[in-house]
Amino acid sequence: QKEVEQDPGPLSVPEGAIVSLNCTYSNSAFQYFMWYRQYSRKGPELLMYTYSSGNKEDGRFTAQVDKSSKYISLFIRDSQPSDSATYLCAMSAETTDSWGKLQFGAGTQVVVTP
Amino acid sequence: GAVVSQHPSRVICKSGTSVKIECRSLDFQATTMFWYRQFPKQSLMLMATSNEGSKATYEQGVEKDKFLINHASLTLSTLTVTSAHPEDSSFYICSALGTGGSYNEQFFGPGTRLTVL
Repeated sequence: QKEVEQDPGPLSVPEGAIVSLNCTYSNSAFQYFMWYRQYSRKGPELLMYTYSSGNKEDGRFTAQVDKSSKYISLFIRDSQPSDSATYLCAMSAETTDSWGKLQFGAGTQVVVTP
Repeated sequence: GAVVSQHPSRVICKSGTSVKIECRSLDFQATTMFWYRQFPKQSLMLMATSNEGSKATYEQGVEKDKFLINHASLTLSTLTVTSAHPEDSSFYICSALGTGGSYNEQFFGPGTRLTVL
């Protein structure tokens, strides 16, 4: 079983809709949760970063972490065609050995149609 | 955000040859860099952690003699794929962690696509 599970999609939504993405994980030691956006053949770009549980909002993006359920979400409001990309969740534990090391989900391909 | 570059962006080589990939932090110092590998439509898999001035630490299952990592300065880490084989063909991505060490200071390079014929 993978430590981080993420539906690879593709997820197709019309422009202006809300994109809802999520990941589940099994390692209760994870404390840091990130969402990255990756365009084809490019490196990942950090979108949201959350420590422990709770919600965080940044512009059109909202990240939620529910540690009791081992479940994280990313919502993109008012989606645009330029949001079409692969979205990767990533997480890490707060230990000396694992500091900085990220466990990634498989990535969800999102297509926003005009 | 800070910029991390990789060179080359794409390389094609013959089986049995060695290939060196460079990862540079352009406008910040990075004591720690990470090397990932990504197969098509799959996630990034951490290969190794590179610390400036010390030996790299490799993840389980990654052959350290095949994937040589050198982090000789605070802005440069190199990954050398030795005696490359077709199964080594992949997208190699590095990331650099700023000296502050915060997760929102970890920046990824654009990746290097390696094709071994």
